Amino acid sequence: AQSVTQLGSHVSVSEGALVLLRCNYSSSVPPYLFWYVQYPNQGLQLLLKYTTGATLVKGINGFEAEFKKSETSFHLTKPSAHMSDAAEYFCAVIPNTGNQFYFGTGTSLTVIP
Amino acid sequence: KAGVTQTPRYLIKTRGQQVTLSCSPISGHRSVSWYQQTPGQGLQFLFEYFSETQRNKGNFPGRFSGRQFSNSRSEMNVSTLELGDSALYLCASSLGEHRVAEAFFGQGTRLTVV
Repeated sequence: AQSVTQLGSHVSVSEGALVLLRCNYSSSVPPYLFWYVQYPNQGLQLLLKYTTGATLVKGINGFEAEFKKSETSFHLTKPSAHMSDAAEYFCAVIPNTGNQFYFGTGTSLTVIP
Repeated sequence: KAGVTQTPRYLIKTRGQQVTLSCSPISGHRSVSWYQQTPGQGLQFLFEYFSETQRNKGNFPGRFSGRQFSNSRSEMNVSTLELGDSALYLCASSLGEHRVAEAFFGQGTRLTVV
């Protein structure tokens, strides 16, 4: 079964500092990879996704992620944190032969002014 | 273009009752998936419907069921509610076969069982 690991259930950064949220997946065959953001009592908003092609993916709100097959990782970064980035972030995969999402346990991002 | 609409947004039910949640997908989307989100278990896949047929099912008891109508709208039903069924239920719609990677999520229905 597919598994997704997000290291760090809580991450705090200062406003203006680098944001790094980690995600590793378990699969010998690279799946489709996603990062979603969730604000309190809201649904999931897609930040970015990797399906094929360039391994550095740019998303909305200044976020980007790099797919590293050798490390089975898809870490999310943003050069400069903004207060509005405070939210829950979920890494997810879809196996390339499947049709359902497998989600990580989420990382709560706090931005300190 | 309207997004994925879930109704109601909030629901309070008593243990033992049953509940029906509704999801209207984006126009033209034929696949609807449902997920349960709880603090303890995170986001877990319930089931997926495509063209009125259940195509995939997660590991949930038979109390959880769903269906999809010819207009692609979907409902999920939970019978004999338990306290542990309290959760945010999210649905996602996508164009269809092999297109789940392009899914959009709704705002969710917050179910509280008391």
